[in-house]
Amino acid sequence: EDQVTQSPEALRLQEGESSSLNCSYTVSGLRGLFWYRQDPGKGPEFLFTLYSAGEEKEKERLKATLTKKESFLHITAPKPEDSATYLCAVRDNAGNMLTFGGGTRLMVKP
Amino acid sequence: AAGVIQSPRHLIKEKRETATLKCYPIPRHDTVYWYQQGPGQDPQFLISFYEKMQSDKGSIPDRFSAQQFSDYHSELNMSSLELGDSALYFCASSSLDSGHFTSGNTIYFGEGSWLTVV
Repeated sequence: EDQVTQSPEALRLQEGESSSLNCSYTVSGLRGLFWYRQDPGKGPEFLFTLYSAGEEKEKERLKATLTKKESFLHITAPKPEDSATYLCAVRDNAGNMLTFGGGTRLMVKP
Repeated sequence: AAGVIQSPRHLIKEKRETATLKCYPIPRHDTVYWYQQGPGQDPQFLISFYEKMQSDKGSIPDRFSAQQFSDYHSELNMSSLELGDSALYFCASSSLDSGHFTSGNTIYFGEGSWLTVV
């Protein structure tokens, strides 16, 4: 059974204070690790997909990296509008659905 | 760009009633997924359909059923509603390349349907 654990559960940053969110996973045959952003009461918004260890992807202030056991979402000089819950999910060889971690609630204060 | 459309956005039902949620996937997407997200929880996979056939099954209660129609829209039917069914229900869609297990197909989510059971 796939397992995804995200840490920390909650993170408070000052505007401009860079940090990283962690996603540790156990999966039989990784077929993709996904990062989503979710605002309260809204659907998850797709950010990145990573497929193999060593892969990196960037989008504005966000950068996602992947190893064989974990993924990091690095946030550089965050702004208050980056406040949201960031969800990590994996897809394995057994099916096409995603298994999500518990998410990290990020709050960026001005 | 067109997104996943869900209706209704909000729904209030009483215990033991029945509810139906609808999902219209992104055009040309052939796979639909249903997820349930309780307050403060991560999304839990319920069921998915590929080309109108059930493809994967998660933690969907026996009281729930779903199907995908010829136009690829999907409906989640929930009967004998319980208080614990109150949640945000997401539909998501993706497009599979040739073959069922091709990687690379991102799953896009709708805005969700809020179900409150009173």
